[in-house]
Amino acid sequence: DQQVKQNSPSLSVQEGRISILNCDYTNSMFDYFLWYKKYPAEGPTFLISISSIKDKNEDGRFTVFLNKSAKHLSLHIVPSQPGDSAVYFCAASETGYALNFGKGTSLLVTP
Amino acid sequence: EAEVAQSPRYKITEKSQAVAFWCDPISGHATLYWYRQILGQGPELLVQFQDESVVDDSQLPKDRFSAERLKGVDSTLKIQPAELGDSAMYLCASSLTGGFYEQYFGPGTRLTVT
Repeated sequence: DQQVKQNSPSLSVQEGRISILNCDYTNSMFDYFLWYKKYPAEGPTFLISISSIKDKNEDGRFTVFLNKSAKHLSLHIVPSQPGDSAVYFCAASETGYALNFGKGTSLLVTP
Repeated sequence: EAEVAQSPRYKITEKSQAVAFWCDPISGHATLYWYRQILGQGPELLVQFQDESVVDDSQLPKDRFSAERLKGVDSTLKIQPAELGDSAMYLCASSLTGGFYEQYFGPGTRLTVT
């Protein structure tokens, strides 16, 4: 049973615009959420995280928003750059346990 | 910058053969994870170690898969015998410990079973 869902398999955005990637989860015990970026033939690279005590975390062009009541989080990339083109995985965990990943969203940023 | 090392990067094997993957985590990281990623899916946990002890291997197919981390540093994942359905990317990750610590992934081993 998929506990973390990324319902958009792909997203295309123009360079300079905002990219918004969405993620939903079903397990109310999750208290730590992360976004990973993956290029072909490489392992996932950690991007940004947020704990359940916060509703927003920002790191440069990347911001993650958490809505616990809706069990929803999103990743905003502003402005989007061609180098951001990759597969983005949302992941969630209970403290001390392994990550549960979504299926990923493939982002394409066009010039 | 410290990285998680994995070898080999690619492995092709025939079904019913044995295959092994190696992982060296970032120095000082107590927790080590093995994940399997099937094409089009997210990584799924196979086994989690805290130092040399297994914390979670509930998703590890124990009839054919084994994992060890004898000295609490590097780790080996073995499949014997390999089956066609084992074709996937095998990813190793490490973190300082469990809890609110990011997991850092290695480049993975792409396994193809023919």
